[in-house]
Parts: sequence; structure tokens; C-alpha cells
Amino acid sequence: DGGITQSPKYLFRKEGQNVTLSCEQNLNHDAMYWYRQDPGQGLRLIYYSQIVNDFQKGDIAEGYSVSREKKESFPLTVTSAQKNPTAFYLCASLAEPLTGELFFGEGSRLTVL
Amino acid sequence: KQEVTQIPAALSVPEGENLVLNCSFTDSAIYNLQWFRQDPGKGLTSLLLIQSSQREQTSGRLNASLDKSSGRSTLYIAASQPGDSATYLCAVRGGSYIPTFGRGTSLIVHP
Repeated sequence: DGGITQSPKYLFRKEGQNVTLSCEQNLNHDAMYWYRQDPGQGLRLIYYSQIVNDFQKGDIAEGYSVSREKKESFPLTVTSAQKNPTAFYLCASLAEPLTGELFFGEGSRLTVL
Repeated sequence: KQEVTQIPAALSVPEGENLVLNCSFTDSAIYNLQWFRQDPGKGLTSLLLIQSSQREQTSGRLNASLDKSSGRSTLYIAASQPGDSATYLCAVRGGSYIPTFGRGTSLIVHP
């Protein structure tokens, strides 16, 4: 089945460590996104990519990095520079120019110990 | 800058009621509007997508309407069930690739 796969589902990190969250899609979508969700804050955009080898900062990019070397993959690295990384992270892709519908993965929960 | 507001923030109803969830946006120059459902600890599941040229979309017990001129969309849930309990979010997209999300309506349907 076509969809977006995020891994791992749960991740624990010690302070000072970098961690990478995986996002893979087999929907053949060009545009992909990373969001952060905190209780009571709604979804906040971290990075997005409209095409391979290109990505743009969102509203809260500080302390995060991404790469887009393949159309199917858009990994997010949470660096030690991110001061409050404990959150729920969501990856999405966009069916553009077809329907313009946004699809999401199941999310990854990162906890800093 | 587009702003999206969802009212109410939380709703608790008995099973069987017909519900209306509201989504309002400040810039009427939209490309599409999408309603999502989110269960606790899960990703967002797409419910309905309304293109800017459409007035409504229906799927089963769900009906979403769009009034661009007034900057409003409503999600109507008929004959609510406990399984409908979740958070419902709307997202509005303008001419860019970046959607703007509301903060959601948390719905509890009790038996």
C-alpha cells in the first residue's frame, strides 16, 4: 500500500546527542514536510522540500537539519543545539499537482532523558 | 499572513447527536481546505479535501462545506458515535506549498 513510513515510533535521547528521524514515502510525491506538535501548540513547520536536493526552513528550523537526496526520503536530524526537543514529530507529503491533498505518517515521539 | 481558527476547542456530546465543527480563515484567496482527524499519539488522517472551486464534499456521515467569501468551513458529523472521538483539524492552503493549520477541536462522544 502507498503511504508514508516514519521510524522509529519512539525514541529516547540523552542531552547532547544528535538523533535522526526517518521519513520514507512511496507515493511519488515531490513535496515533503516536517512538523513538530506540542500539547496546546498545534502543528509547527520545521522544514519543507518541494523537490529533490532542495529544502527550505520553516517557522522553527533552529536546532534541526534535513536532507533530500532521494525523492522517497526526507530524514530529519534533531541536533544538540535544539534546546527543547521532546515532542511529537510528523512527516507529510503533498499530492501536487494532482489533488493537492496532504498525507501524513504515523509520527515519531522523541523524549530527551 | 493566513490565520486559521477552530471553534470550539473542545466538545463533549452524547452519542447520536449531529455535530458542527467550525474552521475560519482570514485570507479568502485559498487553493484548497482539508479536514483531518487525529487520534491520540497518531498521525493525521485525511477526511475531506475541498478545492477552492467546490462548495462541499461528503464522505459517509461527514460533510464539509466551504464558503470562501466569508472565510469559513464547517465539518458536519451526523449521528455521532463514540468511535468519532478524536481531534479534528482543518488546514488551509493558499498559492504556496505551505498549509496553515488550526489548533483543532477535541471531540469526545460518550455512550
